[in-house]
Amino acid sequence: DGGITQSPKYLFRKEGQNVTLSCEQNLNHDAMYWYRQDPGQGLRLIYYSQIVNDFQKGDIAEGYSVSREKKESFPLTVTSAQKNPTAFYLCASSTTGEGYEKLFFGSGTQLSVL
Amino acid sequence: AQKVTQAQTEISVVEKEDVTLDCVYETRDTTYYLFWYKQPPSGELVFLIRRNSFDEQNEISGRYSWNFQKSTSSFNFTITASQVVDSAVYFCALSGYNNNNDMRFGAGTRLTVKP
Repeated sequence: DGGITQSPKYLFRKEGQNVTLSCEQNLNHDAMYWYRQDPGQGLRLIYYSQIVNDFQKGDIAEGYSVSREKKESFPLTVTSAQKNPTAFYLCASSTTGEGYEKLFFGSGTQLSVL
Repeated sequence: AQKVTQAQTEISVVEKEDVTLDCVYETRDTTYYLFWYKQPPSGELVFLIRRNSFDEQNEISGRYSWNFQKSTSSFNFTITASQVVDSAVYFCALSGYNNNNDMRFGAGTRLTVKP
């Protein structure tokens, strides 16, 4: 079945540590996105990529980094510079970068700070 | 700037009741797209509907219906004869015409349907 796979489902970060969240899709989608979800808030865009080897900052990119070396993969690194990383992280993809395309989402990663 | 407001944080109903989830949006664009997504306890958001700004026709899909009114900038979602499986967080979202990169989500409404 086609879809988006995020791993791990739960992740714990120690002080000063960088952690990487995995996102893989087999939908052959060009565009991929990372969103952060906090309780009682909508999703906020962290980074997006419309093509391999290219990505752009979203609204809340500070303290995060990404790479897009393969069409299928869009990992997110939460760096030690992100002082409030506890949140639910969702990866998404779409067929193009145009506004009328619906997003397909993974099942998310819950990141907590130890 | 684009903005989506879902004023209802949580709604609780008893099975078989009808329930309406409100969504009000703000945009300066003349062409835009509105979406509803469902987030069940498993976490992933599931697409429910997309509506473009030129199409104000209401839509019905089984027990689900959507009322789009440009005059009041609203895109409300009604579930008829609710079921326990409808329990989830529902998000309304607004996207510009050119790309998904500026998609704005509301804060979501948590719907609990009790048996």
